[in-house]
Amino acid sequence: GESVGLHLPTLSVQEGDNSIINCAYSNSASDYFIWYKQESGKGPQFIIDIRSNMDKRQGQRVTVLLNKTVKHLSLQIAATQPGDSAVYFCAEINNAGNMLTFGGGTRLMVKP
Amino acid sequence: DAGVIQSPRHEVTEMGQEVTLRCKPISGHDYLFWYRQTMMRGLELLIYFNNNVPIDDSGMPEDRFSAKMPNASFSTLKIQPSEPRDSAVYFCASSRDRGRQPQHFGDGTRLSIL
Repeated sequence: GESVGLHLPTLSVQEGDNSIINCAYSNSASDYFIWYKQESGKGPQFIIDIRSNMDKRQGQRVTVLLNKTVKHLSLQIAATQPGDSAVYFCAEINNAGNMLTFGGGTRLMVKP
Repeated sequence: DAGVIQSPRHEVTEMGQEVTLRCKPISGHDYLFWYRQTMMRGLELLIYFNNNVPIDDSGMPEDRFSAKMPNASFSTLKIQPSEPRDSAVYFCASSRDRGRQPQHFGDGTRLSIL
């Protein structure tokens, strides 16, 4: 197997605490963003999306914030649970349907 | 609702052999995408289809790779002959529309070429 690869930043939180995962993008024209969760051995799972005409969107226990001024996205997970442990990554899907991921993601580890 | 279904989940074979990966997209989704994920490169788009027609295959690494979509509910990705550097996790995803829509992924095929 490969021993060198994308270095994933890791966020370690205590069960029950809130988690905040950040993502920076580069294209100011980007207007649709998605957060995915990828557990070990599984495919990326859609969590929540946001369009550029919004700066906040809420789902069940998750909130995505979009700051277009500084080209920054964040995913907030409330009351983090062990089942939230996974790699989280953000992506843009443009009008042509091309998905661009930003970095390799962030590994969230939840301590019981 | 059934999600994207891929088979096999794992494939181990010797170099030079033909490998066929299979995908059933979500019913009603008109777009189907094949991705490859490795530690080195992350997630890479290989090819995508719209209404069973290949639209963009610029991500296909070389002629050893081919993909087909004979109908709306089935697609294959074939590697012939396979090489060790093809070892990766291959994902299939589908979406209802092309732009500004979430792509829904299957659980992938972990391919190991010895």
